[in-house]
Amino acid sequence: DIQLTQSPSFLSASIGDRVTITCRASQGISSYLAWYQQKPGKAPKLLIYAASTLQSGVPSRFSGSGSGTEFTLTISSLRPEDFATYYCQQLNSYPRTFGQGTKVEIK
Amino acid sequence: QVQVQESGPGLVKPSGTLSLTCAVSGGSISSVNWWNWVRQPPGKGLEWIGEIYHSGSTNYNPSLKSRVTMSVDKSKNQFSLKLSSVTAADTAVYYCATWSPPRGFDPWGQGTLVTVSS
Repeated sequence: DIQLTQSPSFLSASIGDRVTITCRASQGISSYLAWYQQKPGKAPKLLIYAASTLQSGVPSRFSGSGSGTEFTLTISSLRPEDFATYYCQQLNSYPRTFGQGTKVEIK
Repeated sequence: QVQVQESGPGLVKPSGTLSLTCAVSGGSISSVNWWNWVRQPPGKGLEWIGEIYHSGSTNYNPSLKSRVTMSVDKSKNQFSLKLSSVTAADTAVYYCATWSPPRGFDPWGQGTLVTVSS
């Protein structure tokens, strides 16, 4: 199985901050990586796929980059509605796996 | 646009079989999509259970493969999950979601909490 390790696991930030979350894969996954946002009691929401393609309707302050084994999700200017948990997921091979999550909280 | 919605019992006895259905609306289950199940134990992360194509082809997580069966009902435009020999460790919110390459999983159902308890 491909292991995905997110860092940090917890992040405290202020409104307007630039936030970066890293996802490292245990082996190369090309660009087959997606990012999700999950709020309490809700299903995950797709933000980015193919490592850097913004899902339709997702604000442009979200961006993704990377390939191979290292990927990043960046929020350029944190808004109140962005406080949530973020997960990466690899779609390169089976079984599909997710990172452990990064919880973004208000400082 | 396609929407998916889970349904099924919220309580299952230990050693029993968990059975869930995911209804597809706004599109055909016979489209190019793969139909997935993902679960999330309370307060924990996401675990992929498996997927099925409308032809019946499946891919399961090896960690659950011996206990999982997925099926498609084209006449009802829905797909199903069965997980046998459940224990308390199978207590989780179960989500269905669709995948069409190269995208990620989208959309997801709202999720349904299944508790394994006597």
